[in-house]
Order: sequence, then C-alpha cells, then structure tokens
Amino acid sequence: GENVEQHPSTLSVQEGDSAVIKCTYSDSASNYFPWYKQELGKRPQLIIDIRSNVGEKKDQRIAVTLNKTAKHFSLHITETQPEDSAVYFCAASTTRSSNTGKLIFGQGTTLQVKP
Amino acid sequence: EPEVTQTPSHQVTQMGQEVILRCVPISNHLYFYWYRQILGQKVEFLVSFYNNEISEKSEIFDDQFSVERPDGSNFTLKIRSTKLEDSAMYFCASRSGHRGRTGELFFGEGSRLTVL
Repeated sequence: GENVEQHPSTLSVQEGDSAVIKCTYSDSASNYFPWYKQELGKRPQLIIDIRSNVGEKKDQRIAVTLNKTAKHFSLHITETQPEDSAVYFCAASTTRSSNTGKLIFGQGTTLQVKP
Repeated sequence: EPEVTQTPSHQVTQMGQEVILRCVPISNHLYFYWYRQILGQKVEFLVSFYNNEISEKSEIFDDQFSVERPDGSNFTLKIRSTKLEDSAMYFCASRSGHRGRTGELFFGEGSRLTVL
C-alpha cells in the first residue's frame, strides 16, 4: 500500500546551520507533497508544498526538492533559528480515483536547533 | 483567517464508554478528514468524508468508529466502545477541493482522548 518513509528521526543542528530532511514515497501516482511543522501539543501546520510538475520550490529559508524518478523529496532549511525547533512531517497524496486527497505522513523528524 | 475548530480539547473516559469528538471544518471546504496521532508517533489517516458520505477509510477505522455530518457545519467522530489503545490525539482536517483531488489540509487543534 501507500507508504512514506522519513529520515532522520531526530536532527540536531547549531543555530545558523542548514538542516535537511528526506522522504521517499511508494506510490508512483503521488503528485502532491506537503511538509508540515508541528510544535509540541499543537496542530500540524503547512510550511511548504510541491506538486509533481515542479522539481524545486523555495520560500525564504525553506526549500523543497522533488525527484519523481527516484520517488523522493527533501526539505531544506537554511540559517536555522531556535524557533525552527519542532517536529517536521512530510506527506504525500495521489489523484487515484479511489482517493479523495488524503495525506499519508512520514514518521516525523524532531529538529532541535541549538542556540 | 478561518480555522478548523475541535471540541473537546481533552476528554478522559473509561474503557468501553462511547466518545464523540466534534469538529467544525472551514465553511467553504468540501473534504473532511479524521486523523489520529498516538503520542510520539506519526499522524495516521482514519477516514475521509465527501458529499455526505465516507469516501475512504483506513484499516484502523473499524466498526467501532463512525463519522457523521449532522448539519451543515459539524463533523463528528464517534467511538462506540473505547479501548485503551484508542488513547491518542485526534485531528480533524478539511480541504477546499478547489484545486482538484489534492491540496492543503487544514488541521484543527486536536482532541486528546485518554482511555482509562
């Protein structure tokens, strides 16, 4: 079935360094790949997303890259700040006829940015 | 900015009791979802709802679970006879559907269910 794998499970960086989180997906029909940030006890919130007709998307310090052939996508955060500390989830969604846009989430990456 | 709202924020119940979790999706959205997150784990899909019926459900969503949209605004998740393993944060989400079959899901703040 559909599956999304995410690595690493934890990531610790110094403030100002870059952080990279990687995900792979199993369903070749997946065409929408969002990244959600979840602070402790809060709801997941979208930070960036990409569709399969695009290879890269950037929004200030955050970028996402997509390799459809290899079925993997990555989140890049540059110049990390302590407020970036949170759990980050990747997800994938498909347009199969039986699917109504559900997201399949990865296992999550706990990012710690040390001041 | 419109938000998905959920009640209660936290519910403690005894094993075997029925629980109803309530959600008010964003008003012009067409697709509704329930997800759950066991403490420290990933967010898991339970069910999607569209056009007043279940459109897809996961293996987790067994006969103990049901969803309903009793009026034009509320979307509820009922667990008929709770088990210890139902303890989790339950998130409601909605999506506009204006960009086709995929797009951003907006999540509520969650309802934490504790089964004793």
